Amino acid sequence: GQQVMQIPQYQHVQEGEDFTTYCNSSTTLSNIQWYKQRPGGHPVFLIQLVKSGEVKKQKRLTFQFGEAKKNSSLHITATQTTDVGTYFCAGPGGGSQGNLIFGKGTKLSVKP
Amino acid sequence: DAGVIQSPRHEVTEMGQEVTLRCKPISGHNSLFWYRQTMMRGLELLIYFNNNVPIDDSGMPEDRFSAKMPNASFSTLKIQPSEPRDSAVYFCASSLGVPTGYTFGSGTRLTVV
Repeated sequence: GQQVMQIPQYQHVQEGEDFTTYCNSSTTLSNIQWYKQRPGGHPVFLIQLVKSGEVKKQKRLTFQFGEAKKNSSLHITATQTTDVGTYFCAGPGGGSQGNLIFGKGTKLSVKP
Repeated sequence: DAGVIQSPRHEVTEMGQEVTLRCKPISGHNSLFWYRQTMMRGLELLIYFNNNVPIDDSGMPEDRFSAKMPNASFSTLKIQPSEPRDSAVYFCASSLGVPTGYTFGSGTRLTVV
């Protein structure tokens, strides 16, 4: 079935360092979404990418969608302790009604 | 906007008991999703509804699980009988459909002992 693979599983950084998580699919994705889940919280929608090669920024966060629409990345510049959490990518599950298949996520910890 | 509301927030029950989880989606959202989250398996889609109609329940683990959406503002996920391996966080999410982001509820942490 449809799967999205995410790496790395865990990332520990010093505050101020950059962070990147990668998402890969074996099939072309019509769109990809990113979510953040704080410890003990629920996933929160960050952004959706639709176009090949698309790049979107949200303050220190940069999201990219690959040219082939099979991969995506999330890059955080100069991490802060507030960035702690698990970042998930999610792609269409094959249904026509908007269901998503989530990657396993990258858990980010930031040392002050 | 109150967001997606789930109840209860925590549930501890004994093996064999029936468990009912509840969800109120955001008004106007026409799609509703039930996910289960565990350390081992991550976020798994159990079932989703569109306009109150179940579209795909292939993620439901077995016949012990059932879900209903009797109207646009309410859905339930029932486990009967519950087993320890059902222990997880169950999330409900709603959306406006294809392709928009989901709004998740705060989840129900289920512990079956």
